[in-house]
Amino acid sequence: DTGVSQDPRHKITKRGQNVTFRCDPISEHNRLYWYRQTLGQGPEFLTYFQNEAQLEKSRLLSDRFSAERPKGSFSTLEIQRTEQGDSAMYLCASSLAGTQETQYFGPGTRLLVL
Amino acid sequence: AQTVTQSQPEMSVQEAETVTLSCTYDTSESDYYLFWYKQPPSRQMILVIRQEAYKQQNATENRFSVNFQKAAKSFSLKISDSQLGDAAMYFCAYRSDYGGSQGNLIFGKGTKLSVKP
Repeated sequence: DTGVSQDPRHKITKRGQNVTFRCDPISEHNRLYWYRQTLGQGPEFLTYFQNEAQLEKSRLLSDRFSAERPKGSFSTLEIQRTEQGDSAMYLCASSLAGTQETQYFGPGTRLLVL
Repeated sequence: AQTVTQSQPEMSVQEAETVTLSCTYDTSESDYYLFWYKQPPSRQMILVIRQEAYKQQNATENRFSVNFQKAAKSFSLKISDSQLGDAAMYFCAYRSDYGGSQGNLIFGKGTKLSVKP
């Protein structure tokens, strides 16, 4: 078990471009979460999946953001028409649903929009 | 809505000494979980310790322990025998145990801990 992985680790893009991030959870975990972390702040919840179903989306997730988790394995987060305010660290976490649920985080993708 | 407050943006401790990081939270729920996560510079966030609200006993993990005061809605982290590797951002987080909850974590803004040799 190699833990949660994210790709790419860093992304620089120009305003207006589309970007896509990938998250590979711990293999047996059925829940997958996306968070956004800006400088000097704690992570903020964006959305989560249980298996392949997207069950909750935060109000932070504008219609320019879309996330998928096909077949309940890896997940992608796409941002269309990026804005400078999208610059942040995007964190993925996975967990096994249950009373002892603990979320394990990936290293994050740092996005810079110029 | 639940909120988590960490009132100490930065803390400093001498190596081998003890330091306590503060966290308070606001909720109307009776069942929930509390966590402390550590985020070293440019490295991923790792779980330090967790506490179930229904447990009166304070959680302990080696040099890390918590002081959970449910009535006061306080959840502080004590690090004993501080080591240079403890230097990091520490985040306090809350997770609802309410039926149907999505289980997402609500984080405080973090406390940056420096360890002096």
